[in-house]
Amino acid sequence: QIQLVQSGPELKKPGESVKISCKASGYTFTDYAMHWVKQAPGKGLKWMGWINTYTGKPTYADDFKGRFVFSLEASASTANLQISNLKNEDTATYFCARWGYYYDGTYYLYYFDYWGQGVMVTVSS
Amino acid sequence: DTVLTQSPALAVSPGERVTISCRASESVSTLMHWYQQKPGQQPTLLIYLASNLESGVPARFSGSGSGTDFTLTIDPVEADDTATYYCQQSWNDPTFGGGTKLELK
Repeated sequence: QIQLVQSGPELKKPGESVKISCKASGYTFTDYAMHWVKQAPGKGLKWMGWINTYTGKPTYADDFKGRFVFSLEASASTANLQISNLKNEDTATYFCARWGYYYDGTYYLYYFDYWGQGVMVTVSS
Repeated sequence: DTVLTQSPALAVSPGERVTISCRASESVSTLMHWYQQKPGQQPTLLIYLASNLESGVPARFSGSGSGTDFTLTIDPVEADDTATYYCQQSWNDPTFGGGTKLELK
C-alpha cells in the first residue's frame, strides 16, 4: 500500500537548522511530484511548494523563498525539507503530500491523494 | 492567488444532513478537492475534482459545484465525522480554504 512516512518531532532553538524527511513506498517515487504543506498550531493548511521527483527541480511559494530547501534522495524514495535560520513562527507541523492525478484523456488533473503523518517542529529558546 | 472562503464552524446532530460550502475568488472549473482532518492527524482526501468520491470513503460524503461555488455534503452525519474539512483548488498554485470545523451536538 502507498505510504508516506515522515521523520520524528524536532525541538530547535532560533537560528538553528532542521531537516525533515518523507519516505515514500508502494509506488514509483519518480512518477509523482511531492509537495510540502505547513500547519501552524491551531491554524489551517498553507502550501509551501513542491519538488519534481524526476528532475529534482524545486518550486517555492512566495512565502517560502530563501530559508527553505526541498531536496531528494531518489535512490531512497525520500523527499526532504530543510529550514535554516529557524524563527519562532516556523513552529508548525509540516506535511509532505503526493501530487496525484486523474487523466481525462486530454489533461492531467491534480490533487493531493496521499499525505505523510506530519512532523511537529518546535522553535523555542 | 486564488482565495477560498469557508464558513468557520458548524454544529449538527447525528443523522442529519450537513452541507459545507467553499467559494473561490475566481473560477477554478471543477479543480476543487475536499479533505478531512481529525485532531492530531494528517488530512485525508474525500472528494477530488469537485464530485468524485475517493476510494474507500463512505458514500455518505458527496461533492458538487463548478466555477466558484462548491459544496461538500455529508448525509447522514455520524459521530466519527467530527473533524475540520478543507477545500483546496488546483486551477493554479494550490491554495486551501480556512477550514470548517464540524461539531456534533
